[in-house]
Amino acid sequence: NAGVTQTPKFQVLKTGQSMTLQCAQDMNHEYMSWYRQDPGMGLRLIHYSVGAGITDQGEVPNGYNVSRSTTEDFPLRLLSAAPSQTSVYFCASSYSLAGVYGYTFGSGTRLTVV
Amino acid sequence: AQKITQTQPGMFVQEKEAVTLDCTYDTSDPSYGLFWYKQPSSGEMIFLIYQGSYDQQNATEGRYSLNFQKARKSANLVISASQLGDSAMYFCAMRDPTGANSKLTFGKGITLSVRP
Repeated sequence: NAGVTQTPKFQVLKTGQSMTLQCAQDMNHEYMSWYRQDPGMGLRLIHYSVGAGITDQGEVPNGYNVSRSTTEDFPLRLLSAAPSQTSVYFCASSYSLAGVYGYTFGSGTRLTVV
Repeated sequence: AQKITQTQPGMFVQEKEAVTLDCTYDTSDPSYGLFWYKQPSSGEMIFLIYQGSYDQQNATEGRYSLNFQKARKSANLVISASQLGDSAMYFCAMRDPTGANSKLTFGKGITLSVRP
């Protein structure tokens, strides 16, 4: 099925460990983004990309790295996990003119850092 | 910087009745886009409706309509004929007007519960 695929769906990490959250889309969308959702905070932008090879920081980028080597994939790397990074992470993608089509979100990754 | 405000506490509505979910926004740019998303208990984010700042008419999508009052900077979501499946968290969001269409600013969300 076409859409945004995120893996894993659940993950528990120990403080200091690193990991990569995977995100792939098969809709040939130029734009991809990572958000985190915390209780009572809505979704906040971590990093985004406007095309292969181009990334930029969002509102809460500290502790995360991204790269975009292909149009389809946009992995999010946690460099050294901290309990403050316990959250639900969403990847989203869109066409350049996202208005009427909206942004397509993945199903989310629930991350717990202990 | 743009800002989205959703201040309603948890909302309750009787099945088959209409309900309005409030959203106000703040931006200094004349060109922007507003979205509503639904997040059921299963967690996925579902796109409901979009309103562009230059659109002359209020957006509608099935039972969803957007009451867009530009001068008041409000973009309220109206759900007609509520169904039990409408029980969810609802988020208002605005697209970054300053450049790339890849950034959304979200409100904190409103919980809607539909009573049978």
